[in-house]
Amino acid sequence: AQSVTQPDIHITVSEGASLELRCNYSYGATPYLFWYVQSPGQGLQLLLKYFSGDTLVQGIKGFEAEFKRSQSSFNLRKPSVHWSDAAEYFCALYNFNKFYFGSGTKLNVKP
Amino acid sequence: KAGVTQTPRYLIKTRGQQVTLSCSPISGHRSVSWYQQTPGQGLQFLFEYFSETQRNKGNFPGRFSGRQFSNSRSEMNVSTLELGDSALYLCASSLGDGEGSPLHFGNGTRLTVT
Repeated sequence: AQSVTQPDIHITVSEGASLELRCNYSYGATPYLFWYVQSPGQGLQLLLKYFSGDTLVQGIKGFEAEFKRSQSSFNLRKPSVHWSDAAEYFCALYNFNKFYFGSGTKLNVKP
Repeated sequence: KAGVTQTPRYLIKTRGQQVTLSCSPISGHRSVSWYQQTPGQGLQFLFEYFSETQRNKGNFPGRFSGRQFSNSRSEMNVSTLELGDSALYLCASSLGDGEGSPLHFGNGTRLTVT
């Protein structure tokens, strides 16, 4: 069965520091994988998407994610976090017209 | 291109009443999905409509229903509201082409049941 796990419920980083949010998935074949961001009171916004090809995917707002098949991971990274990046981040997997979302990671940014 | 539009943005209802939420997808998108989001349960899938047919369904009671019109606009109805139905309801549209087209979300309808 398909599933997505985001092990970290909350993460706090200092502004200007690097960021890595973890995402692990369970799926037999090469999945479609996504990262979304949600600001308070808003809907989810697509950051980036992966399906085959280059395992390092560039997204909007300076984010990137790396697909590692051997680790069943699709971690989101950003070299330097801005205060406006404080939000909740969701990893998602797509299979046969269904999306499976992780439980989300809330990012706090310290000044 | 206009994004996904959900109306209304906020609703306050009383327990036992019913409510209808509306979603207008991005032009050209034939799939509309609905999600319930609460602090305790996170993001939970309600159902998905594609070309006016319910294609997928989550594990919600029959009080939650939906439909999709020929122009792809969708409505979600909740009957006999309970306090636990208070949540942010998110609508998302996509091409629904089976090729991993991403979901595009609206800003949600915040439902409060008193």
